[in-house]
Amino acid sequence: DADVTQTPRNRITKTGKRIMLECSQTKGHDRMYWYRQDPGLGLRLIYYSFDVKDINKGEISDGYSVSRQAQAKFSLSLESAIPNQTALYFCATSDTTVTGGGGPQHFGDGTRLSIL
Amino acid sequence: KNQVEQSPQSLIILEGKNCTLQCNYTVSPFSNLRWYKQDTGRGPVSLTIMTFSENTKSNGRYTATLDADTKQSSLHITASQLSDSASYICVVSPTSGGSYIPTFGRGTSLIVHP
Repeated sequence: DADVTQTPRNRITKTGKRIMLECSQTKGHDRMYWYRQDPGLGLRLIYYSFDVKDINKGEISDGYSVSRQAQAKFSLSLESAIPNQTALYFCATSDTTVTGGGGPQHFGDGTRLSIL
Repeated sequence: KNQVEQSPQSLIILEGKNCTLQCNYTVSPFSNLRWYKQDTGRGPVSLTIMTFSENTKSNGRYTATLDADTKQSSLHITASQLSDSASYICVVSPTSGGSYIPTFGRGTSLIVHP
C-alpha cells in the first residue's frame, strides 16, 4: 500500500461544482501539504498543516479550502470550481525531525483534475 | 522574491553516459536543498537533502553537490539507465524564522535513450 494515498486519481467536472480531493497517509508524519502542478511550472503550495490544529495558507490559496480531519487525513476543497483550476494536485507529508524542516518528503501520486 | 532556476530545461543522453543538472537559487537564508525525481504520472520522490553546511550527498548513482557561497547546486547522474528518464526538481527551503514556503524549480526533463 502507498504511504500517501490520494483519491480520486482522476476527476472531470463542470464549472461551479464543489470538489473535494482527499489525502491519507500511513507515515505517521505531522506535516501535510497540498500542491498544484501545471505544465511548465514548478509545484506551487496551496495549503499546509503542521498538525491537526494548525492550518496555513500557501502561495496560491485563493479559491481553495482545506480540512485536517486527523493526523493522517488532509482534504482539499474547491468550493466553486473554475477552468483555470484544471491541474495536477499533489498531497505530501514530512517529518518534523528532518533538519531545518526540509519541506515535503513523501508525495502521493496525484489527482488529475479537469474542469470544463 | 525567492527563486530557483534549473538548467538545462531538457536533456537527452545515451544510456550509460553521465550527466549533470544545475540548480541556482536566490533563497536566503536557506535551511536545506532537496532534489526530487518525478516519473511521468507519479508524485516526486526525494533523492537527496542537504543542509547549508553540507557540500555533497549521494544516493546510489545520484550525487548532489552544494556551494552555498555561489548559491548553486548540481545533481550528477552516473552511468545513466533508461529508468532515469524523468523530471528532476530542485527545491530550496528557507529557514524556519522566515516564510516557511519552500521554492520549487521548474525541473529538468531528462530522457535516456538506449
